[in-house]
Amino acid sequence: EVQLVESGGGLVQPGGSLRLSCAASGFTFISYWMHWVRQAPGKGLVWVSHINSDGSSTTYADSVKGRFTISRDNAKNTLYLQMNSLRAEDTAVYYCVRNDWGGDYWGQGTLVTVSS
Amino acid sequence: DVVMTQSPLSLPVTLGQPASISCRSSQSLVSSDGNTYLNWFQQRPGQSPRRLIYKVSNRDSGVPDRFSGSGSGIDFTLKISRVEAEDVGVYYCMQGTYWPPWTFGQGTKVEIK
Repeated sequence: EVQLVESGGGLVQPGGSLRLSCAASGFTFISYWMHWVRQAPGKGLVWVSHINSDGSSTTYADSVKGRFTISRDNAKNTLYLQMNSLRAEDTAVYYCVRNDWGGDYWGQGTLVTVSS
Repeated sequence: DVVMTQSPLSLPVTLGQPASISCRSSQSLVSSDGNTYLNWFQQRPGQSPRRLIYKVSNRDSGVPDRFSGSGSGIDFTLKISRVEAEDVGVYYCMQGTYWPPWTFGQGTKVEIK
């Protein structure tokens, strides 16, 4: 059974940093591109970032470019999102998403709250 | 970026009756490889999104056959043939043809009358 389990969310002050993790199991992690998608409270889905299978290629939404870094450790079957210079508008549930014809499996999400 | 526009944004339905959600993209979603990367997702209250349909009309494993997707070019539709109580939630269309970024519709909230 495919499982994606996010962790690392929490309350952080504006300007602070957090690192999210996504532990993958039940499939061959190295074979899949992975994405992060976020959802602000009561709002819709917004794509954040992607990484290819071996980690050599990444892309970012303009809103997070230069502040967020996506990475992966294929030996540990884990996806990461390093978030720096956090802003109030980054407050959201962050989902780890497997890419097979576009988002076939989603994790349960981890809530990031940026507030003083 | 490709803009995805859904309608209606709110859809009250009677149990056992059909429902239909429209999704329009700001440009054709036909890819250079001939595929159309238009997906539909369901998000039940308090849950993560779940993909229902990929590449316009392909149902994901375990998705009831009362859900169907259709369309081409810029106009797409998700239909529920007979709405059940478990279908309550928000439905999103998403394009993956012109990425980055994936872009999503605003969401359509389906509720029971």
